[in-house]
Formats: sequence, C-alpha cells, structure tokens
Amino acid sequence: GAVVSQHPSWVICKSGTSVKIECRSLDFQATTMFWYRQFPKQSLMLMATSNEGSKATYEQGVEKDKFLINHASLTLSTLTVTSAHPEDSSFYICSARDPLGGYGYTFGSGTRLTVV
Amino acid sequence: AQSVTQLDSQVPVFEEAPVELRCNYSSSVSVYLFWYVQYPNQGLQLLLKYLSGSTLVESINGFEAEFNKSQTSFHLRKPSVHISDTAEYFCAVSNNNNDMRFGAGTRLTVKP
Repeated sequence: GAVVSQHPSWVICKSGTSVKIECRSLDFQATTMFWYRQFPKQSLMLMATSNEGSKATYEQGVEKDKFLINHASLTLSTLTVTSAHPEDSSFYICSARDPLGGYGYTFGSGTRLTVV
Repeated sequence: AQSVTQLDSQVPVFEEAPVELRCNYSSSVSVYLFWYVQYPNQGLQLLLKYLSGSTLVESINGFEAEFNKSQTSFHLRKPSVHISDTAEYFCAVSNNNNDMRFGAGTRLTVKP
C-alpha cells in the first residue's frame, strides 16, 4: 500500500531557531498533502493543506509566516517552523490521500518537536 | 463543514470483554467515515472505513463499525478485546476527500 515517510521522527531545537520537517510519498504521487498538529492527549488539528506547485491553504488561526509549507514536487512537502518557541512543541503529522486506497489517507509516523 | 464527536475520552475494559467506542458526525452532505488507531508516538493507522454500500464494515483484527445514517453514528465495536488493543482511537469524517476532520479521540485501555 501507499507509504508516507516523515522525517525526522523527533527533534530538539533551541528557541529562536527554525526546524524543517519533511513528508514524502514513497510509492505514489501526492498532489495534496495535509499537515496536522497534535497536543498531548488531544486530537489532530488540521493546520494546512499543501498543494503541489501552489501556495498552501492554512486553517484559521494558523500563522502562515511561522509555519512555512513548501510542496515543490509531487512526492515531497516540507513544514518549516520558524523562530521556534517552547509553545510550538508538539507532535506534527503529515498525510496524503492514498490514490489506490479508495479514499482515506495515509499518515506519516509523526515528528515530535521539542523547543527548549 | 463536517464535524465529529467522540463522546468517551477514556474507555477502560477488561481483557476479553466487548467494547464499543462511540462516534457521531454532522454534515450537510454525504460523508466518508473512518476509524484510525494511534499507538504512542506514532502516526495514525487506518482501521476501517465506510465509503458506500454495506453499512457494516470490518477490519482484519476483529473490529467492526456500522454506519447509521438516521442516527448519524459510526460506532466502533469489538466482541473481545486484547491487551494489544490498548491505544488511542480516532473517528474521522471527510465529505469531499479534500480534507479530513477528526474527533477528539478515545483512549481504550485494556486491563488484564
């Protein structure tokens, strides 16, 4: 089945620095990818929809200048957390629609970001 | 816009007991419904989904869910749970496959 690879699985960074998270579709092309954020013991909150070759669509309340999304190819979307603060610490998960799965989505394994 | 409500944040059960995790949705159009399972510090794994056709859908590990349009529900059930079923379960809805909305999740804890 379709596989989405997310890297890194965990990262620790200092306040004020930027962190890039990669999401790759390994065996299919994903024109659209989704980025979610999950706080401890809470659900996934959709942050933005990443569209290949165009600007991402951000959900209300998500700062697009802080969470930069780039979807430059059909197999790669990146999320960059700029000028990170401790409150940005969270679990970030990407997903892509599985083209062969009859709807539904394939999720990456997530990235645990800790800002110190 | 569609939304999902999972009424139970935590469900503790004993091993080999039956379990039901409740999910209700709201949408003004036809929907696709999903159940995902998440183990600690991992992504989500698709458990089962309803797209159309038979309202009862099953997974390979004994879970099943029934789509009930009149009650706008998609409850997840298993007749006999195992310790390994302990995880977080998310119900999700999509109405046009452009995005997916999740419920708050239900923490299933299976005790020996």
